[in-house]
Amino acid sequence: DVVMTQSPLSLPVTLGQPASISCRSSQSLVYSDGNTYLYWFHQRPGQSPRRLIYKVSNRDSGVPDRFSGSGSGTDFTLKISRVEAEDVGVYYCMQGTYWPPGYTFGQGTKLEIK
Amino acid sequence: EVQLVESGGGLVKPGGSLRLSCAASGFDFKNVWMSWVRQAPGKGLEWVGRTRREVDGGATEYAAPVKGRFTISRDDSKNTVFLQMNSLKTEDTALYYCTTEGEVWGQGTMVTVSS
Repeated sequence: DVVMTQSPLSLPVTLGQPASISCRSSQSLVYSDGNTYLYWFHQRPGQSPRRLIYKVSNRDSGVPDRFSGSGSGTDFTLKISRVEAEDVGVYYCMQGTYWPPGYTFGQGTKLEIK
Repeated sequence: EVQLVESGGGLVKPGGSLRLSCAASGFDFKNVWMSWVRQAPGKGLEWVGRTRREVDGGATEYAAPVKGRFTISRDDSKNTVFLQMNSLKTEDTALYYCTTEGEVWGQGTMVTVSS
């Protein structure tokens, strides 16, 4: 089965500084239709997850433009250009290319403010 | 307002059953694939299963740990998706979310499996 591996698992960041999270898949996430079904989610403490990015690099409605997604094949990155206090929480990548096993999440990366 | 509201969680003994509901509002429910995702206390997100639209055959798919024990169904007339959980195990203890394939999420309903 495809395995999603995130790094780092813990990310202390100074307010206003950039942050970057890596997500690697054990197999290419390019589907037969040419799309790459890689998503990014953010979960604040005590809240439900919120999708930030779909299909590698498309921001969801209302997501600030300081968030960007990039990558291809097996290597993907979520970048925050300038971290704000509201960005704390856990970030997850998720693949939707392989069925089975179905949607598969990474372990999560916990972003905290230094 | 686009909204998902889960209900039906609670405390159940190992081997028991529970049925979760997720009521949708504010969008065209019958034209949306719906998933259930769970999160064990202090752990990450785990996809449980999903149901396709009726026009797509209404097929369901499940994660390996729950296949054969959990069943997802939907009632488009009531804008509701269900998760029937049988033969529950302690490792099924989690906060269960319904989601429109990731875009919209409910607040979750807690399931605790313990003797």
